[in-house]
Amino acid sequence: AQSVTQLDSQVPVFEEAPVELRCNYSSSVSVYLFWYVQYPNQGLQLLLKYLSGSTLVKGINGFEAEFNKSQTSFHLRKPSVHISDTAEYFCAVSAGNNRKLIWGLGTSLAVNP
Amino acid sequence: KAGVTQTPRYLIKTRGQQVTLSCSPISGHRSVSWYQQTPGQGLQFLFEYFSETQRNKGNFPGRFSGRQFSNSRSEMNVSTLELGDSALYLCASSPGQFRTDTQYFGPGTRLTVL
Repeated sequence: AQSVTQLDSQVPVFEEAPVELRCNYSSSVSVYLFWYVQYPNQGLQLLLKYLSGSTLVKGINGFEAEFNKSQTSFHLRKPSVHISDTAEYFCAVSAGNNRKLIWGLGTSLAVNP
Repeated sequence: KAGVTQTPRYLIKTRGQQVTLSCSPISGHRSVSWYQQTPGQGLQFLFEYFSETQRNKGNFPGRFSGRQFSNSRSEMNVSTLELGDSALYLCASSPGQFRTDTQYFGPGTRLTVL
């Protein structure tokens, strides 16, 4: 069975500092990997996805993530965060022929001035 | 294009009642998936519909059911509500059934069971 672990439930950071949100997955078959963001009282918005090819994936709002197959990780990074990046971030995986997404429990990013 | 819409946005019910939630996908999208989001369990997959057929189902009891209409709109129904059904129910649509298709989420329906 597949699983996703987001290693930090909360990440506080100051504005303009870099941030990394960590995600590890478990799967015995090939995976597609996703990061979504959820702003308060809103639905989920796709930040970026890894399907194949280059292991460094660039997304919206200056975010990027690197797929590391040997470490089964897909960490999300941003070199300089803004107050507006305060939100809940979710890592998700779809594995094998199954389209359903398996989700991590989320990381709450709090950007402080 | 208009995004995914879900109605109602908020709902309060009592134990034992039933509830129907509605989802209108992005125009042209034929696949609709439903997820339950709770603080303790996070996001859990309920089911997926494509061309009016259920294609995938999560590990939820039979009290949870859904359907999709010919215009791709979808409804989910929960019968005999329990306190533990209180959650944010999210609907997502995608153009087709490929794994590479991005799922676009609606704002959700927040269900409170008293």
